[in-house]
Amino acid sequence: ETGVTQTPRHLVMGMTNKKSLKCEQHLGHNAMYWYKQSAKKPLELMFVYSLEERVENNSVPSRFSPECPNSSHLFLHLHTLQPEDSALYLCASSQEVRNTEAFFGQGTRLTVV
Amino acid sequence: AQKVTQAQTEISVVEKEDVTLDCVYETRDTTYYLFWYKQPPSGELVFLIRRNSFDEQNEISGRYSWNFQKSTSSFNFTITASQVVDSAVYFCALSEIGSPGGFKTIFGAGTRLFVKA
Repeated sequence: ETGVTQTPRHLVMGMTNKKSLKCEQHLGHNAMYWYKQSAKKPLELMFVYSLEERVENNSVPSRFSPECPNSSHLFLHLHTLQPEDSALYLCASSQEVRNTEAFFGQGTRLTVV
Repeated sequence: AQKVTQAQTEISVVEKEDVTLDCVYETRDTTYYLFWYKQPPSGELVFLIRRNSFDEQNEISGRYSWNFQKSTSSFNFTITASQVVDSAVYFCALSEIGSPGGFKTIFGAGTRLFVKA
């Protein structure tokens, strides 16, 4: 098993759909993250969880809703998205929430039509 | 405020050439970490190195080397004798230790490296 696994790898959804992205880490880390990577823009941190508690919500619209049921799993629930939300969504984990290197999944390529 | 600038958007080299990727950062903290990550076409970012602000010693790992200069706020990355497999997007990142929100790692915009055979 790879360290951080994301499913699905690709997702096409309509603006009225509801879908969820899943992330699982097998590294025993305490912190998990969602990042958004759009074309020609720097990586944007969306949410940070430390020991299953959300410690950062980086001004993300409410149509993105994270869930961290345990330290190994992280979800991003999506509803009524906009075409500009199309991007690569990357999940990452790290040993601690501060200043340790992060291990990333391969991402979910999301297209909103 | 934190800021990471990677001025080179794209670099193209021929295999076996040396190439340096530039990274300039801004921070008000005296204690911070700097990182480099590689993002191959498969998508995941791969951690390459972490350096703390008190350690200005340059580091070499195989064909990779890093030059950290606090005086110029730079943390440059050199690949010696580049190979086609080095083709990827490379990100420099900064994480402040002391400030609230020190868990936020700020990434530069990335430099896309093409290595041609």
